[in-house]
Amino acid sequence: GAVVSQHPSWVICKSGTSVKIECRSLDFQATTMFWYRQFPKQSLMLMATSNEGSKATYEQGVEKDKFLINHASLTLSTLTVTSAHPEDSSFYICSASDRVDGYTFGSGTRLTVV
Amino acid sequence: DQQVKQNSPSLSVQEGRISILNCDYTNSMFDYFLWYKKYPAEGPTFLISISSIKDKNEDGRFTVFLNKSAKHLSLHIVPSQPGDSAVYFCAARRGSSNTGKLIFGQGTTLQVKP
Repeated sequence: GAVVSQHPSWVICKSGTSVKIECRSLDFQATTMFWYRQFPKQSLMLMATSNEGSKATYEQGVEKDKFLINHASLTLSTLTVTSAHPEDSSFYICSASDRVDGYTFGSGTRLTVV
Repeated sequence: DQQVKQNSPSLSVQEGRISILNCDYTNSMFDYFLWYKKYPAEGPTFLISISSIKDKNEDGRFTVFLNKSAKHLSLHIVPSQPGDSAVYFCAARRGSSNTGKLIFGQGTTLQVKP
């Protein structure tokens, strides 16, 4: 079946630094990539939607200059958290979608900003 | 505005019995509904889905029921097994495309006791 590889699975960074999270679709071409954020015991909140080669569409309230999303190819999307602060600590999950198989989620990245 | 709601944060059932997880939505424009299972520090895995033109879909031990007039759907697991213990999310989207964005509920933690 479809597999999405998300790296790293966890990362600890210092406040003020930037962190990049990668999401790769291994055996299919992802027409669309979604990035979610989940706080403990809460829902998966959609942050942005990106299509290959296009600028990402951000949900209301999500700072596009802080959460940089690049979808350079049909198999790779990256989320960069710039100038991270402790309140950015969260669980980030990507989802890759094609028109045939639907949505496949990555395993998530636990970001801790100290 | 929480368009998809799972009002029960947790549910505990005995092995072999039925588990019923509920989900309500407010947006009558949703066309497709999905249920996902999620373990801690992992991405969601797809369980079962239903189109708004149907009222029931069954796959093995899992059955999803949709009541459009009540804007309510439920997931039935029969018989429940200890391995079913996880967080269950319902999600909804507008349109028939598998590349449409999903809106998730808050999740319900299911515990199946041996």
